[in-house]
Amino acid sequence: DIQMTQSPPSVSASVGDTVTITCRASQGISTWLAWYQQKPGTAPKLLIYSASLLQTGVPSRFSGGGSGRDFTLTISSLQPEDFAVYYCQQTNSLPTFGQGTRLEIK
Amino acid sequence: QVQLQESGPGLVKPSQTLSLTCTVSGGSMSSSGYFWAWIRQPAGKGLEWIGRIYRSGYTNYISSLESRAVISADTSKNQFSLTLKSVTAADTAVYYCGREVEADGRSLDSWGQGIVVTVSS
Repeated sequence: DIQMTQSPPSVSASVGDTVTITCRASQGISTWLAWYQQKPGTAPKLLIYSASLLQTGVPSRFSGGGSGRDFTLTISSLQPEDFAVYYCQQTNSLPTFGQGTRLEIK
Repeated sequence: QVQLQESGPGLVKPSQTLSLTCTVSGGSMSSSGYFWAWIRQPAGKGLEWIGRIYRSGYTNYISSLESRAVISADTSKNQFSLTLKSVTAADTAVYYCGREVEADGRSLDSWGQGIVVTVSS
């Protein structure tokens, strides 16, 4: 199985800040990577697919990058509704998720 | 806009079989380019992909559950199901069904709201 390691496990930031979350795969996965946002008590929501493509309806302050083993999710100009848990997921082989990054209000 | 809804018992006894159904509306499971998946999340923990089924009946499972999980589909009812046998407390989780889009890197673009399943006597 491909292991996905996210960092940091949690991050505190203020409204208006820019935050970057990283995800590393245990082996190369090209751009077979998605990012999800999950708020308490709700299902995850797809933000980014194929490493850098923005899902329809997702604000442009979300961006993704990377290929191979190393990937990033950047959220620019944080809004109050962005405070949530973020997961990466590799879809190169049988899917696996990272352990999640909790984005908290400072 | 496709919608998914999980259903099934919320409480299962240890060693018994967990059975859940996902009903798809607003789209056909018979359409090409989609996989239909199950994912679970223990309380306070991360997401675990369980497996998927394609319209042909082709299935994949995560290796750790391959011996206990079966995913099946009834395209005439636009439903797919998860059966997990010999459950233990470790199978207690919120179970989600979802749609994977082949053209979008097999990402999960639609999710059900989730169903809480507790394994307890």
